Amino acid sequence: EIVMTQSPATLSVSPGEGATLSCRASQSVSSNLAWYQQKPGQAPRLFIYGASTRATGVPARFSGSGSGTEFTLTISSLQSEDFAVYYCQQYNNWPGTFGQGTKVEIK
Amino acid sequence: EVQLVESGGGLVKPGESLRLSCAASGFTFSSAWMSWVRQVPGKGLEWVGRIKSKASGGTSDHAAPVKGRFTISRDDSKDTLYLQMNSLKTEDTAIYYCATTRVVSGAMSMLYDDWGQGTPVTVSS
Repeated sequence: EIVMTQSPATLSVSPGEGATLSCRASQSVSSNLAWYQQKPGQAPRLFIYGASTRATGVPARFSGSGSGTEFTLTISSLQSEDFAVYYCQQYNNWPGTFGQGTKVEIK
Repeated sequence: EVQLVESGGGLVKPGESLRLSCAASGFTFSSAWMSWVRQVPGKGLEWVGRIKSKASGGTSDHAAPVKGRFTISRDDSKDTLYLQMNSLKTEDTAIYYCATTRVVSGAMSMLYDDWGQGTPVTVSS
């Protein structure tokens, strides 16, 4: 089973600033990597798939990059609605596995 | 608009059973692959099981921790997904989400496009 490791666990950012979240796979997952956003009390929401394709309705300030074992989710200028937990998930190998999440909190 | 509404969660004792339901609307349920994903409160996400559409064979797969105890099924006439959970353990305590499931060409597993709001399951003596 592929282990997904996210860093940092918590990221404190001021509104308007940028943020970079990292996700590392224990072995190559090609570009079969998704990011989900989860707000308190809500279900996860698909944000990025194919490592870099934004899902419907996701603002352009979110961008994903990477392939193989190293991936990044970048938020260019944080808005109030962006403070949440972000999970990466590989779906290249069976079974698909999730990282433990990065919490983006207001500084 | 896709809507997924889970129900059936609750408090049970170890060894007992529970059946979760997920009522779907806003899309052609019979054509969709569906999954259950669970989340221990404050922790990460874990895939539980997946069922293919009838057109794709209708077969199901389950994660190793629940194999032999949980069974995912579907009733396309009712647009409803089920998760029968038997021999429940304390470690099964989690919020259970149903989700529409997409398989990408070249990938062995799947991703999850739309999620319900979840139903909590607590297993405790």
